[in-house]
Amino acid sequence: NAGVTQTPKFQVLKTGQSMTLQCAQDMNHEYMSWYRQDPGMGLRLIHYSVGAGITDQGEVPNGYNVSRSTTEDFPLRLLSAAPSQTSVYFCASSYGQNNQPQHFGDGTRLSIL
Amino acid sequence: EDQVTQSPEALRLQEGESSSLNCSYTVSGLRGLFWYRQDPGKGPEFLFTLYSAGEEKEKERLKATLTKKESFLHITAPKPEDSATYLCAVGPKIQAGTALIFGKGTTLSVSS
Repeated sequence: NAGVTQTPKFQVLKTGQSMTLQCAQDMNHEYMSWYRQDPGMGLRLIHYSVGAGITDQGEVPNGYNVSRSTTEDFPLRLLSAAPSQTSVYFCASSYGQNNQPQHFGDGTRLSIL
Repeated sequence: EDQVTQSPEALRLQEGESSSLNCSYTVSGLRGLFWYRQDPGKGPEFLFTLYSAGEEKEKERLKATLTKKESFLHITAPKPEDSATYLCAVGPKIQAGTALIFGKGTTLSVSS
């Protein structure tokens, strides 16, 4: 009963490095999203997808790319890491957009030095 | 502008001391209101969905209610294991760039 799986759980990067945060779900959900959670800021939407091949930007998309080639996977790419991207990143999935509860992974804790 | 405000930011209770958490919202076309529990180092865990004013949901010591402007999470006779951060989120009408809008949460501490 895996649900939403995120890897890695922890990562330290140097400024300018790139990396991909992985997210996979086994619930056959069409809708997937990426959030970042910062102290005092709450959860903020980075990118989302309503199905394979369809993605769109959220509130804070700059510096991040996404793609959705399969229903199960929704990776988040940091193009050139900056200290401002130090955060906890959560992936979530749901059956519907905005009217169904999203199910979250346990997050990736990312530090940019 | 769609937004969610939760109060208080932090709440300390004694075991057995009932209380309520508030979630006030303004949203264009509410498609759902959601309550989550988040433990340290974990992702938010879904608790309840409410869709219309007057609706109520219960689970163990928790009861969620909804009006047209706010939702309450009532905690009856809490136990130390209820300590967590409780998040409220609303689903606005679907348009480009939208997803669930989260409040900043209420951190609940229950001591024995």
